[in-house]
Amino acid sequence: KAGVTQTPRYLIKTRGQQVTLSCSPISGHRSVSWYQQTPGQGLQFLFEYFSETQRNKGNFPGRFSGRQFSNSRSEMNVSTLELGDSALYLCASSLALSGQGVSPLHFGNGTRLTVT
Amino acid sequence: AQSVTQLDSQVPVFEEAPVELRCNYSSSVSVYLFWYVQYPNQGLQLLLKYLSGSTLVKGINGFEAEFNKSQTSFHLRKPSVHISDTAEYFCAVSAGNNNDMRFGAGTRLTVKP
Repeated sequence: KAGVTQTPRYLIKTRGQQVTLSCSPISGHRSVSWYQQTPGQGLQFLFEYFSETQRNKGNFPGRFSGRQFSNSRSEMNVSTLELGDSALYLCASSLALSGQGVSPLHFGNGTRLTVT
Repeated sequence: AQSVTQLDSQVPVFEEAPVELRCNYSSSVSVYLFWYVQYPNQGLQLLLKYLSGSTLVKGINGFEAEFNKSQTSFHLRKPSVHISDTAEYFCAVSAGNNNDMRFGAGTRLTVKP
């Protein structure tokens, strides 16, 4: 089975631009979560999608948004980029139905975003 | 809400020595506990999990962890480490849903020859 695939692996953007990151979950996984990882803040939960609906959102400004398609693929978008948005963005999929139990998260290799 | 504390940010150890990476959690409800490993330029990979049952959990790559409810701990151990175990290790806790999973700050394990 193919793992979680994130594209692109690396991105360099300038302040004020916007960016879209893509995530394809493991086949059969319908729950997709996004995390931001930085040296200072560690792993922070951004949002979770299940059946094309955002089920939960972390404490991030509205510039961070996402969506999920009918095939469970997900995208996240960051508008009006700031220097502090430089981070590794990780996507994870799982078998757990949203709000109905816990199962291990399967992570992609991430997209490293650098904002200059 | 639950939280998790990894007590050591960095652990240097020599090859073939034993290692313990410490993790404590706090929660007002029953928890599920996980350890993940992250190699450079990669995502996180599940090492082991405690959902229920035996408090001693065995995972991949020779790692094991013990759930101690009275001490609210879930320490990760390996009796003999290899150079290839050099990575960052994350403890995570959930109260029952993936969307409330909380990760520790990570412990960087460096195995020296």
